[in-house]
Amino acid sequence: KAGVTQTPRYLIKTRGQQVTLSCSPISGHRSVSWYQQTPGQGLQFLFEYFSETQRNKGNFPGRFSGRQFSNSRSEMNVSTLELGDSALYLCASSLNRDRYEQYFGPGTRLTVT
Amino acid sequence: AQKITQTQPGMFVQEKEAVTLDCTYDTSDPSYGLFWYKQPSSGEMIFLIYQGSYDQQNATEGRYSLNFQKARKSANLVISASQLGDSAMYFCAMREGSAGGYQKVTFGTGTKLQVIP
Repeated sequence: KAGVTQTPRYLIKTRGQQVTLSCSPISGHRSVSWYQQTPGQGLQFLFEYFSETQRNKGNFPGRFSGRQFSNSRSEMNVSTLELGDSALYLCASSLNRDRYEQYFGPGTRLTVT
Repeated sequence: AQKITQTQPGMFVQEKEAVTLDCTYDTSDPSYGLFWYKQPSSGEMIFLIYQGSYDQQNATEGRYSLNFQKARKSANLVISASQLGDSAMYFCAMREGSAGGYQKVTFGTGTKLQVIP
C-alpha cells in the first residue's frame, strides 16, 4: 500500500506570494491533518480534515487555509507569505478519528525569501 | 502550563540496552490519546505507539512499550534492546477530545536519542 505523498517536496517563494501544498493520504484513509515544523516552535498543528470538512484548527492566522476533496486528497494554502512561514509542512493521514494512528508524509520544505 | 513536557533534550544509550524516554502531559479532558513518533534525520515522522486514556493495559508494539501512569499523567516510552537505527528524535504527543467532536493535538519538544555502538 502506498504511503502518504506530498508535493512538491521543496519550494522557494518570495514574501507576499501565495503557495499551495498537496497531500495524498493512504488509500482508504479519510482524515488528513497538517502540521508546521520549525526549529523554534517545534511541531504545531494547523488543521484537520475529515470527510471534506475541517474538524479542527490550530492557532494560525487566516492566511493558512485548506480543503479536502471527495477522494480525501487535501491541499493547504498559505497566502501573503512571510519569512516566518519558512518551515517543513507535514501532512498526516489516518483511517478515522478515534485511534489517531497517523501516518506522515515526507513533508514539503518551504523557504520564503 | 505546557500540555506535553519532554524534559530530556538529548540522551545516549548503549546498543542492546533498554532506554526510557520521559513524557508528562496535562489535560482536564477525560478522553485523550497519547502517542509517540520517531523522526530520523531524513525528516519523516514514523508512528510508534498509541495509548488511549481508557485503555487498561499499557500499549506495546514490538520493542516499544508505553509506560502509562494515568494518576501521574506520564506516558514514558520504553525501547528495549536499542539498535543503531533507533538514533533519532522522539516526539510525545497528545490528542484531546472525542472522535465525534473537536480534537486538539499537541506535540512535545522532542528528545534526541543517540545509540552508541
